Amino acid sequence: SQQGEEDPQALSIQEGENATMNCSYKTSINNLQWYRQNSGRGLVHLILIRSNEREKHSGRLRVTLDTSKKSSSLLITASRAADTASYFCATAMDSNYQLIWGAGTKLIIKP
Amino acid sequence: NAGVMQNPRHLVRRRGQEARLRCSPMKGHSHVYWYRQLPEEGLKFMVYLQKENIIDESGMPKERFSAEFPKEGPSILRIQQVVRGDSAAYFCASSPTFKSYNEQFFGPGTRLTVL
Repeated sequence: SQQGEEDPQALSIQEGENATMNCSYKTSINNLQWYRQNSGRGLVHLILIRSNEREKHSGRLRVTLDTSKKSSSLLITASRAADTASYFCATAMDSNYQLIWGAGTKLIIKP
Repeated sequence: NAGVMQNPRHLVRRRGQEARLRCSPMKGHSHVYWYRQLPEEGLKFMVYLQKENIIDESGMPKERFSAEFPKEGPSILRIQQVVRGDSAAYFCASSPTFKSYNEQFFGPGTRLTVL
């Protein structure tokens, strides 16, 4: 069964606004990773956050992790049309090499 | 340093034919993972291989699917007697070790269409 579940399934916002996507998971993890996938394309790794970290930044991206709630959020600030894509969270458990994926959030940035 | 390479990028097969998908990991990476992505879904783990060894194939269908990672050459995911339900994007990833805190680097994927 899916470990991660992204919320919302789809999000449509105006360019320049902030976009927030959430991911919930079920079991203890070693780390959680966010990926972007443009339509019909490959996967781009965005951020990896370890279980002992609470927040991480990369450019316009901010990821938080709350292990007590088993949830993570991805915030994209000042969104651009090029941010239009599907965003996936994937979890890696201790001593487990499998990445377990959610179904993704489809983000549309309207110009 | 070239990234993970997969070929072909697109593959069309008729029902009953065989599909061979190839993956060359990043230089220095000896761990390869295959994932399948059905339309509008996330990725599902299929198999994890090291050179000449299948470590975990728990995500792979028991019939028609096989994978190898020979001492020389790319990793191969082979699907025999393809059916329409095999249509999907197949992604390969590699890492330098199996440890979960290591990022897996993904290839561009092979999109298989079964007619």
